Amino acid sequence: DADVTQTPRNRITKTGKRIMLECSQTKGHDRMYWYRQDPGLGLRLIYYSFDVKDINKGEISDGYSVSRQAQAKFSLSLESAIPNQTALYFCATSDIGVKGYTFGSGTRLTVV
Amino acid sequence: AQSVAQPEDQVNVAEGNPLTVKCTYSVSGNPYLFWYVQYPNRGLQFLLKYITGDNLVKGSYGFEAEFNKSQTSFHLKKPSALVSDSALYFCAVRDPASGGSYIPTFGRGTSLIVHP
Repeated sequence: DADVTQTPRNRITKTGKRIMLECSQTKGHDRMYWYRQDPGLGLRLIYYSFDVKDINKGEISDGYSVSRQAQAKFSLSLESAIPNQTALYFCATSDIGVKGYTFGSGTRLTVV
Repeated sequence: AQSVAQPEDQVNVAEGNPLTVKCTYSVSGNPYLFWYVQYPNRGLQFLLKYITGDNLVKGSYGFEAEFNKSQTSFHLKKPSALVSDSALYFCAVRDPASGGSYIPTFGRGTSLIVHP
């Protein structure tokens, strides 16, 4: 099994719909992150959480919300999806040291 | 503030030739630097990191990177490219002197294409 699992892998949704992307990890890491990837823009941080009671906005949090249900679970919600939220979304985890991130395989979201 | 730049959107190299993917950074203190690779339809995978010590860092799949403080660069290199190295490469920097969250900043990515 993958260390970081994202569901669904692909999703097509309509404008205005609410959608939740889920992430679970078996790394035992306290820190979890949601990133968005757009061609030519690289990775942009949406939200991050350093523990279950700690939630922080990233650089592009507008239109998104998150929930840290447990140490191993971190979900991202789009309350009312819009077409410019069409992107590839990645969940990642890390420990508190200087090791790199562990990324999930991504969720490709299309808003029509 | 920390920032990172990958000046090339795409790098083309013939199989067997050496490859370089460029990265420059800006931080207020001594940087932590990372390289990640993304294969098609996959998440990013950690390749290597520089924290301190030897300026030449060796990582996965035969890649290495050279930290150059005077040029604020951390270029990714491989002596002999393989077609299977074709992927998207991301440089990231973290400024340990920035305090707070220590969230790294990622570059925009460089597409490496290795031709047979």
